Amino acid sequence: QSALTQPPSASGSPGQSVTISCTGTSSDIGYYNYVSWYQQHPGKAPKLMIYEVSKRPSGVPDRFSGSKSGNTASLTVSGLQADDEADYYCSSYAGSNRGVFGGGTKLTVL
Amino acid sequence: QVQLVESGGGVVQPGRSLRLSCAASGFTFSSYSVHWVRQAPGKGLQWVAVISYDGSSKYYADSVRGRFTISRDNSKNMLYLQMNSLRGEDTAVYHCAREQRDFDYWTGYDPWGQGTLVTVSS
Repeated sequence: QSALTQPPSASGSPGQSVTISCTGTSSDIGYYNYVSWYQQHPGKAPKLMIYEVSKRPSGVPDRFSGSKSGNTASLTVSGLQADDEADYYCSSYAGSNRGVFGGGTKLTVL
Repeated sequence: QVQLVESGGGVVQPGRSLRLSCAASGFTFSSYSVHWVRQAPGKGLQWVAVISYDGSSKYYADSVRGRFTISRDNSKNMLYLQMNSLRGEDTAVYHCAREQRDFDYWTGYDPWGQGTLVTVSS
């Protein structure tokens, strides 16, 4: 199972919005609404930010939003803050009882 | 609070075995599927395996199927990963991660443990 494709890096200034893409195939992102996004600060465990494409767990700011179109999912972070600087990973159900992650995107707040 | 704590990592020679453990607390462990996800040093996340809430179903990534075995003991709130025939490419931090919704799969991994480092080297 190939990993989902994410850009290696993204950046934005405080207060701006940034969108991170995650491209899969018609067998994973394109077929299932089981896309989730994770934030990972250096040396820390990943944290769930978005699940089932666009749902936010309690405690996650509404500055974080998710969407999907065809085989590509997106995470948008609005009103960028310094603490948003982290690695972000997308994940999807890949069918046949397997999970798959993207390669990760390093978000820099300029 | 909901917590997962891994243990059992260490340095092991290629071809040898290791068993990881994950202690769960703060929630009804027997109601949730649980995954193992690994992260090689400086690399991204890779899904490894999942076990259903009652242990009746187990699924694996192609890269570990036949070498790794996931199991759980609901009476002890413990998750395990038995790793045999270890290879250099298995070197990683291994996290256990709970499904975010009970009695379901693939809805999202939440929370995660801090992970335990496995280094396969001669």
